[in-house]
Amino acid sequence: GPKVLQIPSHQIIDMGQMVTLNCDPVSNHLYFYWYKQILGQQMEFLVNFYNGKVMEKSKLFKDQFSVERPDGSYFTLKIQPTALEDSAVYFCASSLRLGGDTGQLYFGEGSKLTVL
Amino acid sequence: GDQVEQSPSALSLHEGTDSALRCNFTTTMRSVQWFRQNSRGSLISLFYLASGTKENGRLKSAFDSKERRYSTLHIRDAQLEDSGTYFCAADGSSSFSKLVFGQGTSLSVVP
Repeated sequence: GPKVLQIPSHQIIDMGQMVTLNCDPVSNHLYFYWYKQILGQQMEFLVNFYNGKVMEKSKLFKDQFSVERPDGSYFTLKIQPTALEDSAVYFCASSLRLGGDTGQLYFGEGSKLTVL
Repeated sequence: GDQVEQSPSALSLHEGTDSALRCNFTTTMRSVQWFRQNSRGSLISLFYLASGTKENGRLKSAFDSKERRYSTLHIRDAQLEDSGTYFCAADGSSSFSKLVFGQGTSLSVVP
């Protein structure tokens, strides 16, 4: 089936540094998402993105977070500066449409971020 | 905001038995997805439903088409490889799709 690729699969950085998580969504998809999962806990919505803009974000999407997808390349999540509580697995997802029969979200394998 | 209540939080099944997981929604949802997360943390999509029921092998899912306030996942003839954490996630946003996840059901299938 359709695949969402995430790079890197694991990143370890020192607190205060910048990190960029990359997502290669399903090729014809138009909507993009980031979710955060702290070990053993539920998945939490961070942000969704369409047509070059953030459409909706949660309280977890702090000012230090930003997303972009320049010229149809990777959909990225940047955290600058990082904090200890940012340690988590970040999942990227994409969908063709919103809701209906083609509204299914496809998730990547996750990028595990460890902030020391 | 939209809430998803998933039950049970943990479940232990003997091989060959049947069971069901359930998600209740505090508001009407447009669609529901069910996932299994394996021990490596990968999310495997099991079903996406905008209405009705879907079946795949020993798994069957239903989404209450009338009030759209709950969904179920039935596991028939449980096997060891079914072990993992199962999540339901629903989309109740009126404008933009935002899946809200349940807390998960940790399923352990034992011989």
